[in-house]
Amino acid sequence: DTGVSQNPRHKITKRGQNVTFRCDPISEHNRLYWYRQTLGQGPEFLTYFQNEAQLEKSRLLSDRFSAERPKGSFSTLEIQRTEQGDSAMYLCASSLSDSNYGYTFGSGTRLTVV
Amino acid sequence: TQLLEQSPQFLSIQEGENLTVYCNSSSVFSSLQWYRQEPGEGPVLLVTVVTGGEVKKLKRLTFQFGDARKDSSLHITAAQPGDTGLYLCSGGTSYGKLTFGQGTILTVHP
Repeated sequence: DTGVSQNPRHKITKRGQNVTFRCDPISEHNRLYWYRQTLGQGPEFLTYFQNEAQLEKSRLLSDRFSAERPKGSFSTLEIQRTEQGDSAMYLCASSLSDSNYGYTFGSGTRLTVV
Repeated sequence: TQLLEQSPQFLSIQEGENLTVYCNSSSVFSSLQWYRQEPGEGPVLLVTVVTGGEVKKLKRLTFQFGDARKDSSLHITAAQPGDTGLYLCSGGTSYGKLTFGQGTILTVHP
């Protein structure tokens, strides 16, 4: 297993455009998480899935954000009508059902909105 | 809402010095994790502690979970420039996601 894979690593987009990121988790992990992180800060929770079911979505998350995990394997995170404030590192992580053993993170997707 | 507060926020030391980073909460966690993150990369899990009072050692790093499972510390002995990075703690409960602290930025100067 090659760990958690995120694509693309970097994305530069113009304000108002839509962007989509992909995450491939560790195959044995049935939980998948999306977090957002700004420079020098801790990760901020966005949403998570157990298999294909989206179990929780942050109340801070705008309706412009949507995530899917259609077959319980890879996941996509879409941001519509991007704003400059969306510029951040978007991190994907996966874990077994018991997240108390910690996450395995991907390398992240760095989004810059210009 | 469960919050984790890390201190200090920034730490700049010379090679060979010792340091301790703290992670505190008013909530009880069933587990606590420590991660290290380098610029442009995702966090890498260092350790998970699950038992109150538990101490784990990883080479020059010593991790402790508080007796009441509300706090944890990370102690580094004889810091090296390769220890430079963002150190994050996270806490887990019996349901769902982990909660992260805001991180401690450590710089070790040669």
